[in-house]
Amino acid sequence: GQSLEQPSEVTAVEGAIVQINCTYQTSGFYGLSWYQQHDGGAPTFLSYNALDGLEETGRFSSFLSRSDSYGYLLLQELQMKDSASYFCAVRDDNYGQNFVFGPGTRLSVLP
Amino acid sequence: EPEVTQTPSHQVTQMGQEVILRCVPISNHLYFYWYRQILGQKVEFLVSFYNNEISEKSEIFDDQFSVERPDGSNFTLKIRSTKLEDSAMYFCASRTSGRSKNIQYFGAGTRLSVL
Repeated sequence: GQSLEQPSEVTAVEGAIVQINCTYQTSGFYGLSWYQQHDGGAPTFLSYNALDGLEETGRFSSFLSRSDSYGYLLLQELQMKDSASYFCAVRDDNYGQNFVFGPGTRLSVLP
Repeated sequence: EPEVTQTPSHQVTQMGQEVILRCVPISNHLYFYWYRQILGQKVEFLVSFYNNEISEKSEIFDDQFSVERPDGSNFTLKIRSTKLEDSAMYFCASRTSGRSKNIQYFGAGTRLSVL
């Protein structure tokens, strides 16, 4: 089967750094993606890792360790507008075009 | 910037009625998806579509569901006989191939309320 795990909630203050972890169990693996979703909005692509290591995109970075079936999203210099849900998603190449989403982590940024 | 558009934004229907949710993917994209998100829960894969046929479908996508690409731009999800538990947000997504093949672009969603 396919399963992804994330913490359900994370709280941090403005200006801080927060890390959101994702572990996955899939029969195949073609890459780990991260999406942001504000309340009532659509998921928006943030980052993608196919290979081990860190990918940096502005204030957001994403890390992958394929041997550990683990990744994380790192958000730096937190802003109030970063309050949202964050989903990791795996493309399982044993299922072709299918992307499987994690349960999501709700990030609350406090002033 | 090109975007995925979905109509309607909100659909209210009676149990047992048929609904059609419409999506216009980004024009040069080749892969199309429908997802469902029940309020407060995760995004669930329903179906993927490529080259005018279904690529994969989940257990949720039973005989009550169907997808079509009736012309070169629209991509529709039909639910034949809606049930109360079909109430959810339905997102359409599309992606291209090549360097951006792992980036899915989502529409704003259609909120389906089954009464």
